[in-house]
Amino acid sequence: KAGVTQTPRYLIKTRGQQVTLSCSPISGHRSVSWYQQTPGQGLQFLFEYFSETQRNKGNFPGRFSGRQFSNSRSEMNVSTLELGDSALYLCASSRGKSNTGELFFGEGSRLTVL
Amino acid sequence: GESVGLHLPTLSVQEGDNSIINCAYSNSASDYFIWYKQESGKGPQFIIDIRSNMDKRQGQRVTVLLNKTVKHLSLQIAATQPGDSAVYFCAERMAYSGGGADGLTFGKGTHLIIQP
Repeated sequence: KAGVTQTPRYLIKTRGQQVTLSCSPISGHRSVSWYQQTPGQGLQFLFEYFSETQRNKGNFPGRFSGRQFSNSRSEMNVSTLELGDSALYLCASSRGKSNTGELFFGEGSRLTVL
Repeated sequence: GESVGLHLPTLSVQEGDNSIINCAYSNSASDYFIWYKQESGKGPQFIIDIRSNMDKRQGQRVTVLLNKTVKHLSLQIAATQPGDSAVYFCAERMAYSGGGADGLTFGKGTHLIIQP
């Protein structure tokens, strides 16, 4: 059973650019969550999608957005990149049923903003 | 805001000894707690979880203890092995009526170092 797949694994952008990250969840999982991980702030919740709908959102500016497709694959977008957006962006999937919180994480997309 | 925290950023133990990683949480409304392990270059990996109506749960070589009175969570690893070397995160989730993977609040992490 394939795990959560994130692409690209590494990327370098410059300030002001925008970036799109992709996540393919485990087959059968309908919920996809995104987290930002930095040395200073640790793991912080960005948003969660279930059946193509954003179900929950963390405390990030509107430059951070996402979406989920009918096949449960998800993308997140960061516009007008800032130096502080440099981080490991982690995607996690789950079945999305009630009373289950186990998240399966991908290996992340490491974004460097110059 | 409320957050989950860990007592020590680094914990060094001898191979074969038992390890105890501690976590303090401040949100009394949290109903679900999880421990994750993150190895270098990888995403977090689920270890064990516990609901707020329990005070202990055991897995393979791991035990999670929850003390709601003092809002304390701990992860015990028996007979620590070199492969246990990683950063360990505790995470909490507030009571959520919608089900599914609600946003978790993670602690900063404890780096477990195994000495031969």
